[in-house]
Amino acid sequence: RKEVEQDPGPFNVPEGATVAFNCTYSNSASQSFFWYRQDCRKEPKLLMSVYSSGNEDGRFTAQLNRASQYISLLIRDSKLSDSATYLCVVNILFSGAGSYQLTFGKGTKLSVIP
Amino acid sequence: DAGITQSPRYKITETGRQVTLMCHQTWSHSYMFWYRQDLGHGLRLIYYSAAADITDKGEVPDGYVVSRSKTENFPLTLESATRSQTSVYFCASTTGALEQYFGPGTRLTVT
Repeated sequence: RKEVEQDPGPFNVPEGATVAFNCTYSNSASQSFFWYRQDCRKEPKLLMSVYSSGNEDGRFTAQLNRASQYISLLIRDSKLSDSATYLCVVNILFSGAGSYQLTFGKGTKLSVIP
Repeated sequence: DAGITQSPRYKITETGRQVTLMCHQTWSHSYMFWYRQDLGHGLRLIYYSAAADITDKGEVPDGYVVSRSKTENFPLTLESATRSQTSVYFCASTTGALEQYFGPGTRLTVT
């Protein structure tokens, strides 16, 4: 079983639509959770961290369910500029220097259509 | 503010050749990482380093060597390149918070 699983998509949605991405992780020792965004042929960049209480950043809302080991990202009022691949990322706490390792999902591709 | 840079950006090499990918960061971040990204696999950690002269293996270290004699540099060497090492390689760094900052990547083709 993969440590972090995502629906690969692609998700093709019209401008203005609301779209939700889901992610599951297998290691219950996972401590921290993130969504990264990766544009085509570019490097990944942090979109937002995911907190247990849920958090919002403008049109983006992230949720975490530790009991179900499930993370979600909701994008409201989709823009053309939201087209990208969204990576679900988990930090599993190791001791020592390994504690900053991140485990990445394969990503979900979003295309927002005019 | 240069941030984190990688060179070369594109490289074509032949099977069996040694090739070194360079990574340089100007933030004095302690932690640095090398990933490869392939279709169907996502980002996979090759090696990481917690500080100068401290390195450790990640998920897919075979065929790769790293060094870190200076905090700002973290070169990745393919000792004898194979076609399976054709990939996009990303270097990343962090100061110790969990957000990692990625370089622009190196596209390596092994023929």
